[in-house]
Amino acid sequence: GDSVTQMEGPVTLSEEAFLTINCTYTATGYPSLFWYVQYPGEGLQLLLKATKADDKGSNKGFEATYRKETTSFHLEKGSVQVSDSAVYFCALSQNSGTYKYIFGTGTRLKVLA
Amino acid sequence: KAGVTQTPRYLIKTRGQQVTLSCSPISGHRSVSWYQQTPGQGLQFLFEYFSETQRNKGNFPGRFSGRQFSNSRSEMNVSTLELGDSALYLCASSSIDRSGGYTFGSGTRLTVV
Repeated sequence: GDSVTQMEGPVTLSEEAFLTINCTYTATGYPSLFWYVQYPGEGLQLLLKATKADDKGSNKGFEATYRKETTSFHLEKGSVQVSDSAVYFCALSQNSGTYKYIFGTGTRLKVLA
Repeated sequence: KAGVTQTPRYLIKTRGQQVTLSCSPISGHRSVSWYQQTPGQGLQFLFEYFSETQRNKGNFPGRFSGRQFSNSRSEMNVSTLELGDSALYLCASSSIDRSGGYTFGSGTRLTVV
């Protein structure tokens, strides 16, 4: 079945450092890919998405490119801030049939001032 | 516009009791899905409702059930609570064309003692 694999956390960075969180997937067909962020005590917020190969999703300085050849959707940000500290989830969803998300295990990011 | 509203935010129940959680989706969203989030299992799909019909169900025992009303509001019920049911229960709604992905509520934190 479909699956999503994320890099283990926690990831600890200094403010203004470059961030990469790796995400790879296994899926049939051409799923949509998502990054969600969860702040303490909150639900998940959509950060960015891409619906087809080579699409680049971007939001709030975060970017991720849908790479079908490597089945990857790595999250990047050029300069992180303390306020980016949260848990980040990679997810996929098939675009037809059953509508449900397959989530990765989440990667906790801690940014130090 | 108002987001996805889940009530209550926190619940403490005793083993063997039952519980009902409520979710009001974004206005106009007819698809409502439920997820269970635990530290050990991560985010797991419970079920999805669309136009008052359950379209898909995850791999959970029959103690977990749900329903959706004509105004798209949804409830989920867990009967005969077990300690392992302690989790954050997240509701998510989406538009019919799925184009915006899910919008999640802040969740209901259920603790079973």
